[in-house]
Amino acid sequence: GAVVSQHPSWVICKSGTSVKIECRSLDFQATTMFWYRQFPKQSLMLMATSNEGSKATYEQGVEKDKFLINHASLTLSTLTVTSAHPEDSSFYICSARDGHPRGEQYFGPGTRLTVT
Amino acid sequence: EDQVTQSPEALRLQEGESSSLNCSYTVSGLRGLFWYRQDPGKGPEFLFTLYSAGEEKEKERLKATLTKKESFLHITAPKPEDSATYLCAAVYGGATNKLIFGTGTLLAVQP
Repeated sequence: GAVVSQHPSWVICKSGTSVKIECRSLDFQATTMFWYRQFPKQSLMLMATSNEGSKATYEQGVEKDKFLINHASLTLSTLTVTSAHPEDSSFYICSARDGHPRGEQYFGPGTRLTVT
Repeated sequence: EDQVTQSPEALRLQEGESSSLNCSYTVSGLRGLFWYRQDPGKGPEFLFTLYSAGEEKEKERLKATLTKKESFLHITAPKPEDSATYLCAAVYGGATNKLIFGTGTLLAVQP
């Protein structure tokens, strides 16, 4: 159980375009989803937290107008990187948890974004 | 400042050579500590959750323990397939249960 999927697994886009990444919880309802980015040989850095039906909460230093997050249902959250630039190239990973106070976070397989 | 530190950064073991990975934390309002395994180019795979000092959990060759200041991941008689980066993460942030990750330990087990 507790499977989280991401789509696409990798994407290459040109500078200035926008890219949408989907995160789905396949076998449970995710009241909260998280978006992380990970640079090579570094750990995961939390970008934002989203609860179903409400606006995302962004971590300090993360541009909310650049990284648009939508959590429209209990099984789907999307991250849109707007006007992407080469410095946005990274590994983006989502995670999801149910509403249990001690619910674990389960991670998706990640999306490799390369901006040329 | 809340912080999670893992050591060593990298560890090379021979198959069958047991060892321990360390995760020390300074997090106010700690609600739990997670261990994950991450293979290259993939998302973290959940291993354990520990909630209180003195708690221990085991899974195959892995055992995780927790004290008030640190957690250990003990690897007994490792195999090459145990090679991966092991991440620990402290749970904080009230009801949202946000995670702060350590930088990981890259484990290589040689046959």
